[in-house]
Amino acid sequence: GENVGLHLPTLSVQEGDNSIINCAYSNSASDYFIWYKQESGKGPQFIIDIRSNMDKRQGQRVTVLLNKTVKHLSLQIAATQPGDSAVYFCAENTGNQFYFGTGTSLTVIP
Amino acid sequence: GAGVSQTPSNKVTEKGKYVELRCDPISGHTALYWYRQSLGQGPEFLIYFQGTGAADDSGLPNDRFFAVRPEGSVSTLKIQRTERGDSAVYLCASGVGGINEQFFGPGTRLTVL
Repeated sequence: GENVGLHLPTLSVQEGDNSIINCAYSNSASDYFIWYKQESGKGPQFIIDIRSNMDKRQGQRVTVLLNKTVKHLSLQIAATQPGDSAVYFCAENTGNQFYFGTGTSLTVIP
Repeated sequence: GAGVSQTPSNKVTEKGKYVELRCDPISGHTALYWYRQSLGQGPEFLIYFQGTGAADDSGLPNDRFFAVRPEGSVSTLKIQRTERGDSAVYLCASGVGGINEQFFGPGTRLTVL
C-alpha cells in the first residue's frame, strides 16, 4: 500500500495556541488529499481537502498546505480549542482508493 | 439530513461464525466505501462500490470477506468463518463519486472471541 505517515504521533497544545499537524505521502501521482478528525467512538469527520493543483486552502480556523516537491501536507488549526482534541488523519487519493496515515493525537490543554 | 448509518454499532461473535454488517449511505450518493480500522491505526481500504458494482475490491484481505450493494444504496459486508484477527471497527463511507470527499458512518465494532 501507499506510505502515508505522520511525523508526530501525539501533540499537546495550550488552549488558544495554534496547532500544526504534519503528514508525509509517498505517491507523487496522488491528486487529492483530505484531513479528517476522529473523536473516540466516532467515524472520521471531514475537515478540509485540497487538490494537487493547489498549495494552500483555508477553511474556518483551519488551513491545509501542500508541498508537492517534498510530498508533505500540513494542517494548521488556529486558536485551538478543547473541542479540537481528537486524532487527526491525512488521507491521499490514488485511483479509487484513499490511503490513511496512522494519525496524530491532539490534546488541547485548557 | 441523515448521515451515513451503520448497524449494528457493536457485534460480538465467536470464532468461526458468520457476520453481516450493514451500511446505509447518504441518499443519492453513488460511491460507497468499506474500511477496517484497528486500534491506533488509520482506516484501511477494503472495497469501493460505484452504484451496484464493486469497482475496486483489492483491499479485501481474503475470500472470507465479501460485500454487496444490490440496489446501489444499502451495502452489506459479509465475513465468513470469522477469526480473532478480524476484530476491528468496520467503517463505511459514501460520496458523490469521483475524486471527492467521503462521509463516514460511526462504524461497527466487531469483536471475535
